[in-house]
Amino acid sequence: EDQVTQSPEALRLQEGESSSLNCSYTVSGLRGLFWYRQDPGKGPEFLFTLYSAGEEKEKERLKATLTKKESFLHITAPKPEDSATYLCAVPMGGGTSYGKLTFGQGTILTVHP
Amino acid sequence: NAGVTQTPKFRILKIGQSMTLQCTQDMNHNYMYWYRQDPGMGLKLIYYSVGAGITDKGEVPNGYNVSRSTTEDFPLRLELAAPSQTSVYFCASSFEGHLHFGNGTRLTVT
Repeated sequence: EDQVTQSPEALRLQEGESSSLNCSYTVSGLRGLFWYRQDPGKGPEFLFTLYSAGEEKEKERLKATLTKKESFLHITAPKPEDSATYLCAVPMGGGTSYGKLTFGQGTILTVHP
Repeated sequence: NAGVTQTPKFRILKIGQSMTLQCTQDMNHNYMYWYRQDPGMGLKLIYYSVGAGITDKGEVPNGYNVSRSTTEDFPLRLELAAPSQTSVYFCASSFEGHLHFGNGTRLTVT
């Protein structure tokens, strides 16, 4: 059975204090790993797709990396507007449907000014 | 483009009542999905559709029904509401890549 586990559950940072969020997964034949950002009262918003171990993608202060067992979302010099819940997800059963996803429970990031 | 639009935003139901959660998208996406999100849990797939007239069950379909008569619309029906269906419901659509989500319907069953 697919499993996606995110840690920590919650993370509080000071503005400018860099850190990383972890997403570990157990799935046969990974075909992609997704990161989404969710603001309170909103639907998740797509950030990145990573397809293979060693791949990295960046967007502003965020960088996502992937190994064979886990993915990291690195946040460099965060700002208060980076506060959100960050979700990772993998296609169910190692399939190729990028809409049928198994999600982790999310990491709630709070960045204090 | 409005993207994915869900109505209503909030709803309170009594046990045993029925309701339909509406979802429409204006991106001409073939694929549409319903997820539910409970506190501390990941989103769970309820039903999905790969095109008009084609629907299939996800992880947690019990207590729900869907239909897809047009590309744009994918309503979710709750026939006999139960407290376990208290949740936030998200509709999403995609072409071939990542999901585009609506802003959710918060449903409370009491």
